[in-house]
Amino acid sequence: DAGVTQSPTHLIKTRGQHVTLRCSPISGHKSVSWYQQVLGQGPQFIFQYYEKEERGRGNFPDRFSARQFPNYSSELNVNALLLGDSALYLCASSLGTGTGGYTFGSGTRLTVV
Amino acid sequence: QQQVKQSPQSLIVQKGGISIINCAYENTAFDYFPWYQQFPGKGPALLIAIRPDVSEKKEGRFTISFNKSAKQFSLHIMDSQPGDSATYFCAAGATPLVFGKGTRLSVIA
Repeated sequence: DAGVTQSPTHLIKTRGQHVTLRCSPISGHKSVSWYQQVLGQGPQFIFQYYEKEERGRGNFPDRFSARQFPNYSSELNVNALLLGDSALYLCASSLGTGTGGYTFGSGTRLTVV
Repeated sequence: QQQVKQSPQSLIVQKGGISIINCAYENTAFDYFPWYQQFPGKGPALLIAIRPDVSEKKEGRFTISFNKSAKQFSLHIMDSQPGDSATYFCAAGATPLVFGKGTRLSVIA
């Protein structure tokens, strides 16, 4: 059974550009969460989606947005990229919104130059 | 407060030794306490997790000790091996998970 799939694995963008990151959850998992992991730090929560609805949002600016599709896959969009957005973006899937059961993907490494 | 404080920042242990990593949390509403292992270039992988109704959980060489009154929990890795060399994160909460800053473990032969 496939795990959490994220694409692309690596990405280089210029300041001011827009980026879209994609995530496919484990089959049967209906919830997707996005985390940002800056080098040397723990992951920080950005969004959670369940059944296509936003169920939680972390302390990130409005330049960050996300959505979940009917097949439970998800996109994270970041507008007007800043150098500080350079990080590993992680997607985690879970069966629902209850505690536990998170499985993380390998992430997308975003570098903003 | 939503912080989870993790220590030490880095740890060097001899092969066969015990690795101990500690975490402290502040929010008494947290009800799920997992530990994740992360290798370079990979996402965090769940190692072991505990709920606050038990004080200890053991899975193989990995043990979580949980002290609800002190709001602290720790990971013990028995018989540490070079393959255990990775970054370990504690986390707490429900949705979302709040992560510590990580501990880089090096197990040397």
